[in-house]
Amino acid sequence: KAGVTQTPRYLIKTRGQQVTLSCSPISGHRSVSWYQQTPGQGLQFLFEYFSETQRNKGNFPGRFSGRQFSNSRSEMNVSTLELGDSALYLCASSLGSDPSSYNSPLHFGNGTRLTVT
Amino acid sequence: EDQVTQSPEALRLQEGESSSLNCSYTVSGLRGLFWYRQDPGKGPEFLFTLYSAGEEKEKERLKATLTKKESFLHITAPKPEDSATYLCAVPSRGGGTGGFKTIFGAGTRLFVKA
Repeated sequence: KAGVTQTPRYLIKTRGQQVTLSCSPISGHRSVSWYQQTPGQGLQFLFEYFSETQRNKGNFPGRFSGRQFSNSRSEMNVSTLELGDSALYLCASSLGSDPSSYNSPLHFGNGTRLTVT
Repeated sequence: EDQVTQSPEALRLQEGESSSLNCSYTVSGLRGLFWYRQDPGKGPEFLFTLYSAGEEKEKERLKATLTKKESFLHITAPKPEDSATYLCAVPSRGGGTGGFKTIFGAGTRLFVKA
């Protein structure tokens, strides 16, 4: 069974630009979550999508957005990039079908390393 | 506010020297506690889920245990290949239409020297 696939693996962008990251979940997984990982802050939750609907959102500015398609693939977009957006962006999928029983473990991709110069 | 705290931040062991990593949690209504392993440049890899106090799970040299306030990851006779960052996480109700997100501790960086 193929794991979570994230593309691209590395990105270098300039301040003010925008970027789109892509995530293909494990087949059969309908929940996709996005995290930002930095050495100082650790893993910070961005948002979670289930069946094309955003179910939860973390404390990030509106420059961070995402969406999920009918095949469960997901994208996240960061507009007007800032130097502080440099991080490893991780996507994770899970079965997560019932929001009242959120005890399915997350399965992560290897991330997209974004560098903003 | 739900919280996960891991200690120590870093742990250096000699090969074969057993030890434990700690994860303390504060959460309203525990729905599970997860352990992950993360190697440099890779995403976290799922290891265990624990659901109730007293539960134990084992995998090779690793054993995870759970009490009402904390979880331990015991490493028996570690090898250099066990060197990684170990992360602890819990589901947390965070608002939104579905309500839950998984929150992570800062991790313990384990170094095992041959």
